[in-house]
Amino acid sequence: KAGVTQTPRYLIKTRGQQVTLSCSPISGHRSVSWYQQTPGQGLQFLFEYFSETQRNKGNFPGRFSGRQFSNSRSEMNVSTLELGDSALYLCASSLGGTGKGSTEAFFGQGTRLTVV
Amino acid sequence: GDSVTQMEGPVTLSEEAFLTINCTYTATGYPSLFWYVQYPGEGLQLLLKATKADDKGSNKGFEATYRKETTSFHLEKGSVQVSDSAVYFCALLNGGGTSYGKLTFGQGTILTVHP
Repeated sequence: KAGVTQTPRYLIKTRGQQVTLSCSPISGHRSVSWYQQTPGQGLQFLFEYFSETQRNKGNFPGRFSGRQFSNSRSEMNVSTLELGDSALYLCASSLGGTGKGSTEAFFGQGTRLTVV
Repeated sequence: GDSVTQMEGPVTLSEEAFLTINCTYTATGYPSLFWYVQYPGEGLQLLLKATKADDKGSNKGFEATYRKETTSFHLEKGSVQVSDSAVYFCALLNGGGTSYGKLTFGQGTILTVHP
């Protein structure tokens, strides 16, 4: 069974540009969550999507947005990039139900974004 | 809100030493608890989990017991190997409502094991 796939693995962008990151979840998983990992702030939750609907959102500015498609693949977009957006962006997929077992999350390898 | 506190790191051990990484949490209700491991340049891998009080999660020689009375989920391994060198994250997940899909992580503990 294929794992969570994130593309691209590495990105270099210039301040002010925008970027789109992609995440393909494990087959059958309907929930996708996104996290930002930085040395200073650690792992911070961005948002979660289930069946194309955003169910939860973290404390990030509106420049960070996402969406989910009918095949459960998800994208996140960051507009007007700032130097502080440089980070490892991780997505995680899960079955997404409310039962204990269905909340187990599996992570992709991440996209390393560098803003210069 | 929910929070997770891990012991200060980094931790440096010799091969075959005993490992403990402390983790305590603050949460409403009855969260599920997890340990994730991150190797250099990689994403997070689920190491073990426990979903209710007194549950013991175990995998690859690592163990952790969900202690509700002390709000703790300490990670232990009896004999570490060089290949265990990585960053370890304790995390919790509260179910439903505004907590959908949101894992709350500790700050991570860097473990280095020397031969």
